[in-house]
Amino acid sequence: QVQLVQSGAEVKKPGASVKVSCKASEYSFTSYDINWVRQATGQGLEWMGWMNSNSGNTGYAQKFQGRVTMTRNTSISTAYMEVSSLRSEDTAVYYCARAYCTSTSCLFMDVWGNGTTVIVSS
Amino acid sequence: QSALTQPASVSGSPGQSITISCTGTSSDVGGYNYVSWYQQHPGKAPKLMIYDVTKRPSGVSNRFSGSKSGNTASLTISGVQAEDEADYYCCSYAGSSSWVFGGGTQLTVL
Repeated sequence: QVQLVQSGAEVKKPGASVKVSCKASEYSFTSYDINWVRQATGQGLEWMGWMNSNSGNTGYAQKFQGRVTMTRNTSISTAYMEVSSLRSEDTAVYYCARAYCTSTSCLFMDVWGNGTTVIVSS
Repeated sequence: QSALTQPASVSGSPGQSITISCTGTSSDVGGYNYVSWYQQHPGKAPKLMIYDVTKRPSGVSNRFSGSKSGNTASLTISGVQAEDEADYYCCSYAGSSSWVFGGGTQLTVL
């Protein structure tokens, strides 16, 4: 079935970087955008940014600009998100989710990945 | 952008209808018809329940409906059931290819 499968949990030290992968299956990867959302323990959802899986164009929430990079490898239907200069406040579950938007409709985040836990601790 | 405003919690008895509000501004909720709602059970990934303010993805119960008036969007669950107990989040397009979530609402079924 249509799914997004993410990479496993990571433990990083402050100042390091982490790269999370999100592999798509059973749909045309380049037909949908990939969005990234994070959720700290006991907290709400936070939108981080999006990537057009076909062109590679990206857009980031202002809070993450300069620290987050979203890329993809279309040959293996996989999206990536890298967060640099990690701090303890980045400890969270990170989700990828697909979206299909036109000029008049946006099926926004109808399929979600299984989540990747990132722990930042010295 | 600032997060959209949702009540922290709502509750209802089985069979009742409940409504969760989501208040933004003319730059997000009020400016676009791209509001979506997500249901999240503990330890699980969110699930899309409503998109484009009022549309339901296939497979979502017709007990769930969405609406919008001005800068406030609403999610209504008719005939709430025990399985509906979860956290609910609204999300709106905010222009310039950006999106913003609400703070989330915990639904308790009494």
